[in-house]
Amino acid sequence: EPEVTQTPSHQVTQMGQEVILRCVPISNHLYFYWYRQILGQKVEFLVSFYNNEISEKSEIFDDQFSVERPDGSNFTLKIRSTKLEDSAMYFCAITSMSSVHNEQFFGPGTRLTVL
Amino acid sequence: DAKTTQPNSMESNEEEPVHLPCNHSTISGTDYIHWYRQLPSQGPEYVIHGLTSNVNNRMASLAIAEDRKSSTLILHRATLRDAAVYYCILSRGGSEKLVFGKGTKLTVNP
Repeated sequence: EPEVTQTPSHQVTQMGQEVILRCVPISNHLYFYWYRQILGQKVEFLVSFYNNEISEKSEIFDDQFSVERPDGSNFTLKIRSTKLEDSAMYFCAITSMSSVHNEQFFGPGTRLTVL
Repeated sequence: DAKTTQPNSMESNEEEPVHLPCNHSTISGTDYIHWYRQLPSQGPEYVIHGLTSNVNNRMASLAIAEDRKSSTLILHRATLRDAAVYYCILSRGGSEKLVFGKGTKLTVNP
């Protein structure tokens, strides 16, 4: 089973600051995804990324959000100017070369707290 | 997005089998039935998936109704570590996003 790590595990920031969340898959990966989960709510899709391009994004993923693979390994989610409502758990997920029918493997998440 | 319906919560006793139901009456012919679970304070975890035939893996079994309008995730012997929220999700494969509902919160009693 593919493994995914995420850093940091917890990020506290002031409103209006930029944050970068990192995802490091430890396997052969195909697609990358970011999801978020506000406390007590459903897991929500943000964006999918393939071959260095966004393949799909949700309404949540507005101009404040961006994704990239800066070094061909890490996959990052940047929030340019954080808002209080961005406080949530952010999960990275991947599909691997062995994912036959879109089985996605999730990281442990980064808890983002915006003050 | 194709929808699924699951009970909000279920309880089980340790070492007993658990049957978690899911209704997906609007399922299309190309939809795969996926199950994920989320343990407390962790990310979602892939459990199993299937199309038409019943499936078994080391974690669970998936029983799919003949008309594919419902399915049941079976944990053969529940342990305390199986206490989690279980999500039934339809996916057409490829790179499609997963659409999570509220899932079923499973409580396992010692």
